Amino acid sequence: QQPVQSPQAVILREGEDAVINCSSSKALYSVHWYRQKHGEAPVFLMILLKGGEQKGHEKISASFNEKKQQSSLYLTASQLSYSGTYFCGTERAPFSGGGADGLTFGKGTHLIIQP
Amino acid sequence: GAVVSQHPSWVICKSGTSVKIECRSLDFQATTMFWYRQFPKQSLMLMATSNEGSKATYEQGVEKDKFLINHASLTLSTLTVTSAHPEDSSFYICSAKVRWGYGYTFGSGTRLTVV
Repeated sequence: QQPVQSPQAVILREGEDAVINCSSSKALYSVHWYRQKHGEAPVFLMILLKGGEQKGHEKISASFNEKKQQSSLYLTASQLSYSGTYFCGTERAPFSGGGADGLTFGKGTHLIIQP
Repeated sequence: GAVVSQHPSWVICKSGTSVKIECRSLDFQATTMFWYRQFPKQSLMLMATSNEGSKATYEQGVEKDKFLINHASLTLSTLTVTSAHPEDSSFYICSAKVRWGYGYTFGSGTRLTVV
C-alpha cells in the first residue's frame, strides 16, 4: 500500500525550513528518502531502520517513529539545490536475511526554493 | 559507491516494435534488480523484480508477456518492452540494493517514447 506524503507541494525562500511527512497504514520496517530532479533518476538521501531513529546529513535530517508508522524529513536553511520532488519509500517486509524487496513510493512532495 | 548503469537514456520507437533496456551493476553483484515505471508528474511504480538465474516476479497488473525481464548474470538485467504502444511511453528506471541497511541505487533511467 502506498505511503501518504504531505504536503503535496512547498514553496520556500532560500534559507527557510521545511518538513515533509510520510505515513503508512501498514507496519513500516524501514523508510527511505529520495530526491528527484526533473528528468533525472531519484537520488538516495537516507534510510531509517529502527523505531525512533533519527539521522542527519548536513542540513537534511529525518526521523522515524515505528509505532506511529510515520517518518519526517527536515530541511533546514534550504538552498536552491534542494529544489526537486521528494519521495519516501517503504519496503514491504522486514529483513529476513534474504534479498531486498523493492520500494513502494509515496506520491511525492514538490519543493520549490526561490532566491 | 554502488553504481548502476542504464542504457539507453532515451529511445523513440514505432508502435508495434520492441525495445530493450539494459541495466548493469558496475562495482557490485546484484542478484536482484528492480524495475520501475514513472509517468509524467507521477510517482515511481514498481513493475517487477528481476532475479538472477530465475524467473522475474511481476507486480499486480503488470503484463509479464509484454515486459520481458532477463537477469542472465549477476551484473546485468534487461527489460524488453514488446509490441510497444503509445501508452507504454514512460520513464523506466532500474535499481538495486547493495546490502541491507543501505538505500537502493538507481540507474539514470530510460525515457521511452512510442510513436
